[in-house]
Parts: sequence; C-alpha cells; structure tokens
Amino acid sequence: EDQVTQSPEALRLQEGESSSLNCSYTVSGLRGLFWYRQDPGKGPEFLFTLYSAGEEKEKERLKATLTKKESFLHITAPKPEDSATYLCAVQAWTSGSRLTFGEGTQLTVNP
Amino acid sequence: GAGVSQSPRYKVAKRGQDVALRCDPISGHVSLFWYQQALGQGPEFLTYFQNEAQLDKSGLPSDRFFAERPEGSVSTLKIQRTQQEDSAVYLCASSLGAGVLYSGNTIYFGEGSWLTVV
Repeated sequence: EDQVTQSPEALRLQEGESSSLNCSYTVSGLRGLFWYRQDPGKGPEFLFTLYSAGEEKEKERLKATLTKKESFLHITAPKPEDSATYLCAVQAWTSGSRLTFGEGTQLTVNP
Repeated sequence: GAGVSQSPRYKVAKRGQDVALRCDPISGHVSLFWYQQALGQGPEFLTYFQNEAQLDKSGLPSDRFFAERPEGSVSTLKIQRTQQEDSAVYLCASSLGAGVLYSGNTIYFGEGSWLTVV
C-alpha cells in the first residue's frame, strides 16, 4: 500500500526565515511525486511534479527535490503570502491514475 | 472553461437524504477524478474516469456512492442515504491526457463541494 508522511504538521516562520518541508513516501515503483498548495476553502493548486531521484524543480521562492525515499520543499525567504497548507502526493506504476496524498504541512509566515 | 468548476459549493443535507454533486472539468480534458477530503486531512481518492469510462472506482467507500460521466465531460457524484461520516469536501480534478504520465499531464483541482450532513 502506498504511504505518504509529511512533517512537520505545522510550521511557523518569520518573514525571510528559510526552511524545508519533508515528504517521506513508500511506494511500489514511483511514477511521479507531486507538490500542491492549498489555501483555506480552496482546492489544491499544482506546484511541481518530480519523476526520478536527483531531480529538482524551482518556482519563485520554492524548490522541490527528490530522493528515493523522500522529497523536500525548500522555501527561501518566505513571505506572508506563502502561508498555506502544502500537500505532497505520489502516483505509483501499480496504482493506475490515483494519487495518494499526505496530510499536509500547514505553513504560517508572520510579517 | 478556465478551470474545474464544481457545484454546489456548499450543501447541507439531512441524514438519509440523497445528494448530487456536479463537476465541469477543463474543456478537452480526458481524465477526471473525484477525491474526498475530511477536515485537516489530505484528499483521498474515490474514482477515476477516462472519457466516459469509469476505470477505477476502488476508492468509493460504500455502495451508497455512485459516479457517472455519461458523455465524457460533465461528471456527477451521487451519495444516497447520506450519513454524518459523509461530511467532507468533495474535490473534482481533471487532466488533459490519460494513461502514461508525461510532463504535461498536470492534474488540476476544482474548489470543491463542501457537504455537511446533519
């Protein structure tokens, strides 16, 4: 069974204080790992897809990296508008088109 | 449309009532997904359509849940005889392609239908 564990559950940062969110996964053949951002009352918004260990992707203050067992979402010099819940999901070769999500990390960036 | 559209956005149902939730995917998107998200949790897969074919319904929690996409575009998730544990946000998502994942096959989510069963 595919499993995704995200840590920490919640993270409070000061504006400009860089940090990383962790996503550990267990999957029988990774097809893709996804990062989404979710604001309160909204649906998940796509950020990145990573396919293989060693891959990195960047978008503004966010950088996602992938190893064989985990992914990190690095946030550099965050701003209050980066406050949201960040969700990690995996898709396995054996699980068709379904995504298995973690429970998310709730990020708060204080001005 | 510009994004995935869901209706109603909010629904309060009395226990035992039937409800129907509608999803309008992005125009031309082949794949359509339904997910259920309980408060404070990540989304959980319910079912997947490729055009009008329901290829995976393994996540539907009981036979009270039924989904259809008869013409390969709009989809409806129906919940019969609702129970309190059905209270959640129901998210619809769509993607352009199907089958093998490729770099352009991003999965886009709607804003969800919030169901409260009282």
